[in-house]
Amino acid sequence: GENVEQHPSTLSVQEGDSAVIKCTYSDSASNYFPWYKQELGKRPQLIIDIRSNVGEKKDQRIAVTLNKTAKHFSLHITETQPEDSAVYFCAVQGRYGNKLVFGAGTILRVKS
Amino acid sequence: EAGVVQSPRYKIIEKKQPVAFWCNPISGHNTLYWYLQNLGQGPELLIRYENEEAVDDSQLPKDRFSAERLKGVDSTLKIQPAELGDSAVYLCASSLDGRGGYNEQFFGPGTRLTVL
Repeated sequence: GENVEQHPSTLSVQEGDSAVIKCTYSDSASNYFPWYKQELGKRPQLIIDIRSNVGEKKDQRIAVTLNKTAKHFSLHITETQPEDSAVYFCAVQGRYGNKLVFGAGTILRVKS
Repeated sequence: EAGVVQSPRYKIIEKKQPVAFWCNPISGHNTLYWYLQNLGQGPELLIRYENEEAVDDSQLPKDRFSAERLKGVDSTLKIQPAELGDSAVYLCASSLDGRGGYNEQFFGPGTRLTVL
């Protein structure tokens, strides 16, 4: 089945700096790549997603890039703020149905 | 619009006891998912329903776990008997149509289960 690896597991940045989280996947037929943010004790919430026919997508301070050849995609957060502190999960939708396989998560800490 | 609703939010039981979780998806969402989230890990799919049909239950430990979605709306997930290793957060999610589309999955707040 699909295997998703996420790095780093923890990331500390200074407020205003950029943060980058990377995920790799194994199934070249995967076609949908969402990113979820989960604050402590709360539900995961979608922050951005990208489909396999697009290389990059941006929404204000958040962007996602996809390299299908290398089978990896990354989340980029610019001008980080303390409220960006949370756990971020990447996910991959495989070729069969709508099953999402999640990465292990990245704890992002933004220091003010 | 109300989001995905789950109850209870917290449950503490002793091992070997049964436990049940309830989920009410977003109105109009045909697809419902149950995920297991262990501490420090990403959610792992247990079962996916398209309306009332379970279309992917390959990760559900069927010796002790069961689920149902009788009328294609609400769903319950049951564990009987519970084991210490079942302590985790059980997340329910729903989406408009899970049949291969790019539909956002909306998550509920989860039920945190502690087995003593």
